[in-house]
Amino acid sequence: GESVGLHLPTLSVQEGDNSIINCAYSNSASDYFIWYKQESGKGPQFIIDIRSNMDKRQGQRVTVLLNKTVKHLSLQIAATQPGDSAVYFCAETTGNQFYFGTGTSLTVIP
Amino acid sequence: KAGVTQTPRYLIKTRGQQVTLSCSPISGHRSVSWYQQTPGQGLQFLFEYFSETQRNKGNFPGRFSGRQFSNSRSEMNVSTLELGDSALYLCASSLISSSYNEQFFGPGTRLTVL
Repeated sequence: GESVGLHLPTLSVQEGDNSIINCAYSNSASDYFIWYKQESGKGPQFIIDIRSNMDKRQGQRVTVLLNKTVKHLSLQIAATQPGDSAVYFCAETTGNQFYFGTGTSLTVIP
Repeated sequence: KAGVTQTPRYLIKTRGQQVTLSCSPISGHRSVSWYQQTPGQGLQFLFEYFSETQRNKGNFPGRFSGRQFSNSRSEMNVSTLELGDSALYLCASSLISSSYNEQFFGPGTRLTVL
């Protein structure tokens, strides 16, 4: 089966610093990846996605890096703000269904 | 545009009972997927419905079932509840049935089985 995991279950950063959240995936055939943010009491919210034909994609304050060689995905959040405190999930798919990691809890320290 | 809504938001049941959860997708969305979220397993895919047909199914026992109505609203049912069924059940809607299409999640139904 699929295996999508996160290196660290929790991450604490100072407000204004950059955050890096990592994710490992096991299926080399996965060709689409998404990062989600889930705040307490809410459902996951789409942050950014990347296709396997890219190795980097930037959004507003967020960057996703994809390293297919080692099957690794990372989410970088620039100038982390208190509102970024949440659980972050990566998800992968080959087009059939999504497989999600268990999540990393990001805490921003004011 | 209203988001995905799920009812009820919280539910407490006892072992052996059955439960039905409801999901109303974003207007115009025809695909609804259901997920189970637990602290240890994360989000796990249950099934997807598109145009009233189940398109994909995850690795869950037959106690978990679902359906979709002609207005795209979906229900999932869990029969003979077990303690391990306690979880947050999320539904997500998308325009079409494709994992390459963005999914929009509802707030979830928190099910507690005693």
